[in-house]
Amino acid sequence: GQQVMQIPQYQHVQEGEDFTTYCNSSTTLSNIQWYKQRPGGHPVFLIQLVKSGEVKKQKRLTFQFGEAKKNSSLHITATQTTDVGTYFCAGPANFNKFYFGSGTKLNVKP
Amino acid sequence: EPEVTQTPSHQVTQMGQEVILRCVPISNHLYFYWYRQILGQKVEFLVSFYNNEISEKSEIFDDQFSVERPDGSNFTLKIRSTKLEDSAMYFCASRGPYGYTFGSGTRLTVV
Repeated sequence: GQQVMQIPQYQHVQEGEDFTTYCNSSTTLSNIQWYKQRPGGHPVFLIQLVKSGEVKKQKRLTFQFGEAKKNSSLHITATQTTDVGTYFCAGPANFNKFYFGSGTKLNVKP
Repeated sequence: EPEVTQTPSHQVTQMGQEVILRCVPISNHLYFYWYRQILGQKVEFLVSFYNNEISEKSEIFDDQFSVERPDGSNFTLKIRSTKLEDSAMYFCASRGPYGYTFGSGTRLTVV
């Protein structure tokens, strides 16, 4: 079945450093979503990418969807302590459900 | 900003007991979901619901689980006879034109 893999599992950075998490699917995805989950919180939808090679920016966050629509990345420039949390990608298995990646837990040291 | 509301926030139950987790999705959303997250692990799909019926369910969603939308606003997940391994955070989500919104979750602890 479809799998969505994410690396790294954990990332510890100093405030101000950049951070990137990568998501890979075993199958071609029609779209990919990114979520942020703060410690003790719930997943919060960040963005959905649909087009091959698409790049979208939200302030310091840059999201990319690979040309083959099998991989994606989230890059944070100049991390802040407010960026702490687990970042999940999610890809649809079909119209009715989507699979979450295992997540990358980001810790930012002030 | 519209929210998905879940109650209770925390439920402790004895093994073998029935529990009902409640959700109020965003009013103009048509697609509803239940996901669960065991502590420290990834979010797992349980079931999707559209037009008053189950669209899809995972292998986790066995005969002990059921969902219902009894009154057009509430969306409930029932676990008939809870097991220790059902202990997890249960998230309800609904999907609208601009993306998915998750509720703040119900932490279920089975003792």
